[in-house]
Amino acid sequence: NAGVTQTPKFRILKIGQSMTLQCTQDMNHNYMYWYRQDPGMGLKLIYYSVGAGITDKGEVPNGYNVSRSTTEDFPLRLELAAPSQTSVYFCASSFRDRDLAGAFGPGTRLTVL
Amino acid sequence: AQKITQTQPGMFVQEKEAVTLDCTYDTSDQSYGLFWYKQPSSGEMIFLIYQGSYDEQNATEGRYSLNFQKARKSANLVISASQLGDSAMYFCAMREFYTGTASKLTFGTGTRLQVTL
Repeated sequence: NAGVTQTPKFRILKIGQSMTLQCTQDMNHNYMYWYRQDPGMGLKLIYYSVGAGITDKGEVPNGYNVSRSTTEDFPLRLELAAPSQTSVYFCASSFRDRDLAGAFGPGTRLTVL
Repeated sequence: AQKITQTQPGMFVQEKEAVTLDCTYDTSDQSYGLFWYKQPSSGEMIFLIYQGSYDEQNATEGRYSLNFQKARKSANLVISASQLGDSAMYFCAMREFYTGTASKLTFGTGTRLQVTL
């Protein structure tokens, strides 16, 4: 199993540009999450999904959109990138919401200039 | 109010010594879980140990143990026999098990541990 994979690993965007962060898991997990980690801080939940076709907002959803058309994929879309979105983005998945820890992807480091 | 508080931004420990990383939490839920993660300089999040709110015994995983004091709402991580490879950022996190929703993991701000020779 590859676990949770994220692409790209690094990206620099100009203000106002858009991009999609990709996340794929091959563990047949129902739950998937997007977190962001700002410098020197813990992770904050952006969006989550409890299964294909079902998504919901987390703590910091503004400026982002998600979709979940398949169990495996949970892309995060940034529209009109802003410097405040400079962060490291982690995708995670778990079989159930009460799973001990789930699995985290390696992260995507995004810089908006 | 902060749900997870880690008051130690940085800690030093000598190799082979034990170290305690502090974590206090705030919740009105009766059912919750507490987690510790390690984040090395490479950036990935590594799960270390879990304690459920109803678990009577403190969790242990190899050199990691969790000192769970429910009445004081603290869940300190104890690393025994520190190794140079333990140098990393450590995050405490809590999952509150709301009925019927995907429970959310709330993270503290982390403690940077440096193991010295």
